Amino acid sequence: TQLLEQSPQFLSIQEGENLTVYCNSSSVFSSLQWYRQEPGEGPVLLVTVVTGGEVKKLKRLTFQFGDARKDSSLHITAAQPGDTGLYLCADVAGGSNYKLTFGKGTLLTVNP
Amino acid sequence: DAGVIQSPRHEVTEMGQEVTLRCKPISGHNSLFWYRQTMMRGLELLIYFNNNVPIDDSGMPEDRFSAKMPNASFSTLKIQPSEPRDSAVYFCASSLRLDNEQFFGPGTRLTVL
Repeated sequence: TQLLEQSPQFLSIQEGENLTVYCNSSSVFSSLQWYRQEPGEGPVLLVTVVTGGEVKKLKRLTFQFGDARKDSSLHITAAQPGDTGLYLCADVAGGSNYKLTFGKGTLLTVNP
Repeated sequence: DAGVIQSPRHEVTEMGQEVTLRCKPISGHNSLFWYRQTMMRGLELLIYFNNNVPIDDSGMPEDRFSAKMPNASFSTLKIQPSEPRDSAVYFCASSLRLDNEQFFGPGTRLTVL
């Protein structure tokens, strides 16, 4: 059974600071997705990474997939209060298995 | 455009009662997923459907849980009888096809006393 570990579990920072959160797997990811979940809402897909070493940028968010495809990071530059939420990573099982396996997430609070 | 619609948004019930959660997927989406989220276990997939047919229910925790999709625009998740450990937020998600992006509803927060 694949285990996804996200760190840190909680992160509270001031507006304007930079931060990085991590997602590590006990086995190789087929492909990996990052989601953001705001309070009282469902998760929303931010990005999907597939290739080892891949880097994707979404405005102030930079997503990196490890070369061995067993880890990933999300870096936010100049965090804003609107970035507050639960950041989840998920493994997308390959082949005919369409299950998503989620980590428990990093709860980010950006204080104004 | 309407997203995934779930009802009720909040449900409080007593142990032993039957609970029915409802989901309306995005129109035109062929795949539907039910998840449960708790602090202890995170977000877990319970069951998913494709073209109204259950494909994998291995995540359903016990026989007390059942899910149906009678047509392309409606699904239910039923718990009978409910127990306090079933307290969680239950999400429904839909996607155009099984391997496409999943769009989540706002969830139903269930509290079983």
